[in-house]
Amino acid sequence: DTEVTQTPKHLVMGMTNKKSLKCEQHMGHRAMYWYKQKAKKPPELMFVYSYEKLSINESVPSRFSPECPNSSLLNLHLHALQPEDSALYLCASQGGTGELFFGEGSRLTVL
Amino acid sequence: QKEVEQNSGPLSVPEGAIASLNCTYSDRVSQSFFWYRQYSGKSPELIMSIYSNGDKEDGRFTAQLNKASQYVSLLIRDSQPSDSATYLCASSNGQNFVFGPGTRLSVLP
Repeated sequence: DTEVTQTPKHLVMGMTNKKSLKCEQHMGHRAMYWYKQKAKKPPELMFVYSYEKLSINESVPSRFSPECPNSSLLNLHLHALQPEDSALYLCASQGGTGELFFGEGSRLTVL
Repeated sequence: QKEVEQNSGPLSVPEGAIASLNCTYSDRVSQSFFWYRQYSGKSPELIMSIYSNGDKEDGRFTAQLNKASQYVSLLIRDSQPSDSATYLCASSNGQNFVFGPGTRLSVLP
């Protein structure tokens, strides 16, 4: 089983809203990632959690706030986003031989 | 600046032909290399991983790695229209992944 589950699949929010993206994996992987992907571009790293601790933060604006409640769950809290933050947000977990397994993504539209 | 370079394409091949996708990377300490397939509007799907010099075959896919030349390739034999997608090459050194811009492959019926 190489499944990473992301919810919601689609999200539309206004610039003053607060929302959260959720990611779950039950493969026992200890590193989980958030990526942002714009159309026709490669995934762009946002955050990495390793053993539930934030290990990489790629200078992401504070309107994006990650949280790792336990080894299976990863959240991305969104607040006061801008229209240019509209993108596909991808969660991934890292397998034992280093490969990333991606969820289906959450497509975010900021109005 | 660690980079992974790919020809953006589109690469067009007829159905049944071999598609050859190439990738070069700049970080000599990269240990692991991956090919992902991404259909339009979908998330990346792992196709192949390769860690040592040489060839690695999985069904219709063969990955090739040459660390001396910092070069990775993916061959797709008997290409099918369903192989039409963007193929992302990635290098990794632990948690630091670098993705290439992707090559768009179009397999013509």
